[in-house]
Amino acid sequence: NAGVTQTPKFQVLKTGQSMTLQCAQDMNHNSMYWYRQDPGMGLRLIYYSASEGTTDKGEVPNGYNVSRLNKREFSLRLESAAPSQTSVYFCASNPTGAYSGNTIYFGEGSWLTVV
Amino acid sequence: QKEVEQNSGPLSVPEGAIASLNCTYSDRVSQSFFWYRQYSGKSPELIMSIYSNGDKEDGRFTAQLNKASQYVSLLIRDSQPSDSATYLCAVPTSGTYKYIFGTGTRLKVLA
Repeated sequence: NAGVTQTPKFQVLKTGQSMTLQCAQDMNHNSMYWYRQDPGMGLRLIYYSASEGTTDKGEVPNGYNVSRLNKREFSLRLESAAPSQTSVYFCASNPTGAYSGNTIYFGEGSWLTVV
Repeated sequence: QKEVEQNSGPLSVPEGAIASLNCTYSDRVSQSFFWYRQYSGKSPELIMSIYSNGDKEDGRFTAQLNKASQYVSLLIRDSQPSDSATYLCAVPTSGTYKYIFGTGTRLKVLA
């Protein structure tokens, strides 16, 4: 059982380049999330998707775009990478959303460095 | 005030002692609370969830919830060096699909 799968695991970008982080879950979950984690800042929500076809901004959406391609896949795009976007990115999923009290499951993370 | 607050630590305890980790939250109507453990370079993994006031025990872990005071704590009995990690408190925001995380408490168990 793969759970939540993220690609790539590591990436180095130059300032101004674009890239897409891919995420897929095989648990038939409705809700999916993108978080970034920085030292001393904890996990901060970038975007989330409550269900297929919907996306909403989290705490730190600037500089990012997302696509909920289908129920399984939720991608995060950096259009013009900046050094401030150097971080560890985690994709996560949840059966039915936070309001139901279900836990969320994380992917293994993607380490992104922007130089 | 942050929505979910934790002391960043590090909290150092000797092997075999009880480690006590605390978390406060601001949303009075929050109904469920989660503790995650995160080893360095790894993703967070769920260790405990709690929904009702009082204590919930699972092996060496006990979660305690006090909704009136808006805090949730995690006790780790008989701490082991393998418990050394960062512990994250997570609180779903009421009426939304968002989970808010604290910044985490780094625990060091000294052999």
